[in-house]
Amino acid sequence: IAGITQAPTSQILAAGRRMTLRCTQDMRHNAMYWYRQDLGLGLRLIHYSNTAGTTGKGEVPDGYSVSRANTDDFPLTLASAVPSQTSVYFCASSDSAVTDTQYFGPGTRLTVL
Amino acid sequence: GDSVTQMEGPVTLSEEAFLTINCTYTATGYPSLFWYVQYPGEGLQLLLKATKADDKGSNKGFEATYRKETTSFHLEKGSVQVSDSAVYFCALGLANKFYFGSGTKLNVKP
Repeated sequence: IAGITQAPTSQILAAGRRMTLRCTQDMRHNAMYWYRQDLGLGLRLIHYSNTAGTTGKGEVPDGYSVSRANTDDFPLTLASAVPSQTSVYFCASSDSAVTDTQYFGPGTRLTVL
Repeated sequence: GDSVTQMEGPVTLSEEAFLTINCTYTATGYPSLFWYVQYPGEGLQLLLKATKADDKGSNKGFEATYRKETTSFHLEKGSVQVSDSAVYFCALGLANKFYFGSGTKLNVKP
């Protein structure tokens, strides 16, 4: 079944540790996105990639990095996790531009202690 | 800057009631507008969208019209069902970025 997969489903992490959230899509979409969802704040864009080999900063990029080595994968890395990064993280993809429908993964629930 | 504001929730309605969830936006250009729905424990799914002024998006009985003069994209449904209980997000897409509202939780009681 086509779609987006994210791993892990959930994770508890000690502050200061490094963590990579994985995202893979099999729809051959050009654009991919990472969001965090916090209660009362909706979804906020962390980073995006319009095509393989390019990335851009979203609304809340600090403390996060991404790479886009190929079309299918878009990992999000927290170099040194802090408690304020406790959130639910969603990966999404779209065919091209922001006028296209975004398809979301099931999310990763991350708790930083 | 670009942003979306939607009405606070939760909204509680009886089955078959009329639904309106207000959404207004601020944008420096000409955005595309979207409504997404999130069911418990799941990711977001597109409900409907409109890409230019006066367009009407519709799906599953829900409708929203892109009103440039009032910078609004209000979501409506004539008769809600218990299965419509979810969180609804208004969003705009512009210049390679996406902005979501804070979400409105809808509870529909039988």
